[in-house]
Amino acid sequence: GIQVEQSPPDLILQEGANSTLRCNFSDSVNNLQWFHQNPWGQLINLFYIPSGTKQNGRLSATTVATERYSLLYISSSQTTDSGVYFCAVNINDMRFGAGTRLTVKP
Amino acid sequence: DARVTQTPRHKVTEMGQEVTMRCQPILGHNTVFWYRQTMMQGLELLAYFRNRAPLDDSGMPKDRFSAEMPDATLATLKIQPSEPRDSAVYFCASVRGAITDTQYFGPGTRLTVL
Repeated sequence: GIQVEQSPPDLILQEGANSTLRCNFSDSVNNLQWFHQNPWGQLINLFYIPSGTKQNGRLSATTVATERYSLLYISSSQTTDSGVYFCAVNINDMRFGAGTRLTVKP
Repeated sequence: DARVTQTPRHKVTEMGQEVTMRCQPILGHNTVFWYRQTMMQGLELLAYFRNRAPLDDSGMPKDRFSAEMPDATLATLKIQPSEPRDSAVYFCASVRGAITDTQYFGPGTRLTVL
């Protein structure tokens, strides 16, 4: 089946810093999504982005489908950005990456 | 403030018992997803429904799991009989329109099977 790898596994930032999270996948996909799970377990769907670039406030995502990767950019990070970021891809079924755990320190 | 609700929030049961988890999607949302999260397997999509009809349940163990939408305001996930390996947090999410629209998640049901 398709492999989904996220990097880095862990990331610690100072508030105000920028970061880039990466999602690599091993095959062509129909769609790709980014999710955020906060430290209390609540999941939020950030982006549906099979290709191209989208922006939502301080977050933006870019997927280069031909090269099989997606990037999530967080600018001017805040402590509320802490948590785990997952990407998920879909061909015949949905596969999640293991996530990037982000800690933003005040 | 519209939100997805799930009940119960926590459930502890013994192996072999039937477990029913419920999800109330946001009013007007016509697509419901069920996910499972464990430390070992991470997040997995179990099934999803559109307009109450199952579209995909390939991620769900068929022998013991069943998912239904008896009406537009209720989705259920049943496990019978439950096993310790079913211990996980089960999330549902709902979407207003296309499957590619933003999913809104419930708080999850934490299931422990002893």
